Amino acid sequence: AQTVTQSQPEMSVQEAETVTLSCTYDTSESNYYLFWYKQPPSRQMILVIRQEAYKQQNATENRFSVNFQKAAKSFSLKISDSQLGDTAMYFCAFMTGIQGAQKLVFGQGTRLTINP
Amino acid sequence: NAGVTQTPKFQVLKTGQSMTLQCAQDMNHEYMSWYRQDPGMGLRLIHYSVGAGITDQGEVPNGYNVSRSTTEDFPLRLLSAAPSQTSVYFCASTTQRGAGGRADTQYFGPGTRLTVL
Repeated sequence: AQTVTQSQPEMSVQEAETVTLSCTYDTSESNYYLFWYKQPPSRQMILVIRQEAYKQQNATENRFSVNFQKAAKSFSLKISDSQLGDTAMYFCAFMTGIQGAQKLVFGQGTRLTINP
Repeated sequence: NAGVTQTPKFQVLKTGQSMTLQCAQDMNHEYMSWYRQDPGMGLRLIHYSVGAGITDQGEVPNGYNVSRSTTEDFPLRLLSAAPSQTSVYFCASTTQRGAGGRADTQYFGPGTRLTVL
């Protein structure tokens, strides 16, 4: 079974700083998908960024980028020029590449606070 | 499009009571799923459905039933509520991935906070 581990329960940075959230996972598959979801106090789950394992290029979405290290099974999220609105829980998630399977396996989450 | 809707937003039950959490989507998604979120843990999959009439168990299915009579609706039933089922419940939907197809974005509902006394 796949597992996802986020080793940082909480992080706090000043506005405009860069912050990196860590995520490691365990799988025997070669093709899969990785995601970062943001959950603000409203509880809504919002997709931040996704990465296909077969793509070597790291995904980027505006201020959000990932460092995908397939051999190390590491998938960290970097937030540049952090903003107050980035304050939220962040979850790393894994999805198998097996056809028809859409199950997400989540990590425990990292609570990120951006201070003014 | 309303996306994924869930009702109720909040619910308090007594031990032993039953209830149904409603989930509906208007995006014509084949795949729907239910997750629960407990403090200090990520979301865990309860049940999922790959289409009308087809359901299967996820990681933590005990104490829950589901059915999928239409594409739009995927209700979650608690048969006899227990304090261990106190949690926040999320419904999600996405398109079904075809052969060799990439996984599409999963759309989550706003969640239902359930407390069992």
